[in-house]
Amino acid sequence: SQKIEQNSEALNIQEGKTATLTCNYTNYSPAYLQWYRQDPGRGPVFLLLIRENEKEKRKERLKVTFDTTLKQSLFHITASQPADSATYLCALDSDNFNKFYFGSGTKLNVKP
Amino acid sequence: SQTIHQWPATLVQPVGSPLSLECTVEGTSNPNLYWYRQAAGRGLQLLFYSVGIGQISSEVPQNLSASRPQDRQFILSSKKLLLSDSGFYLCAWSVKGLGYTFGSGTRLTVV
Repeated sequence: SQKIEQNSEALNIQEGKTATLTCNYTNYSPAYLQWYRQDPGRGPVFLLLIRENEKEKRKERLKVTFDTTLKQSLFHITASQPADSATYLCALDSDNFNKFYFGSGTKLNVKP
Repeated sequence: SQTIHQWPATLVQPVGSPLSLECTVEGTSNPNLYWYRQAAGRGLQLLFYSVGIGQISSEVPQNLSASRPQDRQFILSSKKLLLSDSGFYLCAWSVKGLGYTFGSGTRLTVV
């Protein structure tokens, strides 16, 4: 069966450190992978998209890697801040970008 | 700029009552449109998606239905709500190569 797995346990880190979140998938062959941020009671907000032929993508303090051999994406937030505390979701495409399936998310807590 | 409107923000409905949630998009043409549902503490479940007017694909068998009567309007409906229909409903749009833009969501409680 198809699975998208994100660590269900919250990640607690100290301000200023790098947060690394993992997204593993099975029985998907995504051409695109996305990462979103979701705050309580709000809709997810798009952060980054990476294509299957891209190994790494950066945006300000964010970095995403995409390893289609390992079937894994890593999401990094450098110099983390308390304002980065939220749930982070990964999503994989199917049907050539016509639909995306989401993982259940990992909650990040950045402590001052 | 592109915006997405979704309403109402919260809704409490009795079991067996009908449902209609509306989503409209501004500032873009021929977007892909989506309805997702999120149960408490869970991920987003894709319910329906549409690549054009009148074109609806259903992901999960259920008592919900969707319609796209206009290019930038997407409606989620039910004739008779069940308790299990409770959740956070999110509408989203996308254009190929770009991330989704989600609406603010509707918190539906079926009592």
